[in-house]
Amino acid sequence: DQQVKQNSPSLSVQEGRISILNCDYTNSMFDYFLWYKKYPAEGPTFLISISSIKDKNEDGRFTVFLNKSAKHLSLHIVPSQPGDSAVYFCAASGGSGGSNYKLTFGKGTLLTVNP
Amino acid sequence: SQTIHQWPATLVQPVGSPLSLECTVEGTSNPNLYWYRQAAGRGLQLLFYSVGIGQISSEVPQNLSASRPQDRQFILSSKKLLLSDSGFYLCAWTRRLGAFFGQGTRLTVV
Repeated sequence: DQQVKQNSPSLSVQEGRISILNCDYTNSMFDYFLWYKKYPAEGPTFLISISSIKDKNEDGRFTVFLNKSAKHLSLHIVPSQPGDSAVYFCAASGGSGGSNYKLTFGKGTLLTVNP
Repeated sequence: SQTIHQWPATLVQPVGSPLSLECTVEGTSNPNLYWYRQAAGRGLQLLFYSVGIGQISSEVPQNLSASRPQDRQFILSSKKLLLSDSGFYLCAWTRRLGAFFGQGTRLTVV
């Protein structure tokens, strides 16, 4: 049972255009969502996060939107740059309290930004 | 600042051989520690997590085991590797919301 789904395994965009990466979740207990970026043979690095009390969080070129009623979030990258080419993982956590912050990850989307 | 070390970076092991991957965290105390695996074509799958010394929780039944002998040390082991154990293994720690990952170990079982 996949609780976090990234239905697009890959996405290709032109440099300077917008990249939109989508993520859906099924567990209504999730209340914190994160995006990670991963280059080959490296560990994922944190990109941006959003709490369920918000519907938008922006950090430079990266914006994450959360639609709780649809259980959907998206990552927007504007403008896209060739260095953004990587696998992007969506992750969710239901542990806003307590001592264990397990993350459930999607399968990832490979973003390729073409010069 | 907190750092996480994971080694080795790559490993090729024959089927049936043992495995030991080590992860250590610096700059923090009593971290929650995790082992994830990324198999080909799949996302990051949580294998084990630990909230303290000697405390291990397993998320999926498998051929692997984990141990936490010290506060900032987390070890992933196997007595006999299977071909299906091949993958990219990641150690991570959390203290608040979010996880910070090591550089990963690429394990190939041949």
